[in-house]
Amino acid sequence: AQSVSQHNHHVILSEAASLELGCNYSYGGTVNLFWYVQYPGQHLQLLLKYFSGDPLVKGIKGFEAEFIKSKFSFNLRKPSVQWSDTAEYFCAVNAMNTGFQKLVFGTGTRLLVSP
Amino acid sequence: DVKVTQSSRYLVKRTGEKVFLECVQDMDHENMFWYRQDPGLGLRLIYFSYDVKMKEKGDIPEGYSVSREKKERFSLILESASTNQTSMYLCASSPQPGQGKDTQYFGPGTRLTVL
Repeated sequence: AQSVSQHNHHVILSEAASLELGCNYSYGGTVNLFWYVQYPGQHLQLLLKYFSGDPLVKGIKGFEAEFIKSKFSFNLRKPSVQWSDTAEYFCAVNAMNTGFQKLVFGTGTRLLVSP
Repeated sequence: DVKVTQSSRYLVKRTGEKVFLECVQDMDHENMFWYRQDPGLGLRLIYFSYDVKMKEKGDIPEGYSVSREKKERFSLILESASTNQTSMYLCASSPQPGQGKDTQYFGPGTRLTVL
């Protein structure tokens, strides 16, 4: 079945540590890729998105993600995390072969950054 | 800023009751979505709508129905609530689709408990 996988369910880091959250998808063909974030008590909001062009995408708050087509991956990175990055992070994909109708989410990664 | 509002933040209902969850967006978006969010499962699409009076099933429509009588309002209906429908329900909206590149804007969620 077509799916989106986030292998890290819980991540605990100290402030200033580097972050990489994995995201893999199983759709072939053209895809659009998103990372959403949900801070405690807040709405789910867009962090960054990729459609085409430069596979390294920069988002808000110093986050970036790299699309590697050959690996079907779209990993999220941040060089130095802050306590305020504590949140749940969701990778999401929509695909041409489903008519771009559905945004399919991964199961999420809970990040806890200790001060 | 886009604003998506949901009628209740917390709701407690009894098994067998009919439940209405309301969602309103103020940005004249064409598309509206209902998801449920469960720990370890991420967000799963229940129903979506591209236009007034239009609806499409998502991945888990069983036990739910929807209504979109006005462009700005999208209602989720649990015809006969069951305990396995205890969950966080998220509404989202997005502009007219352009090859799936649209950002979805989320409401704050309704945490429904069915006793």
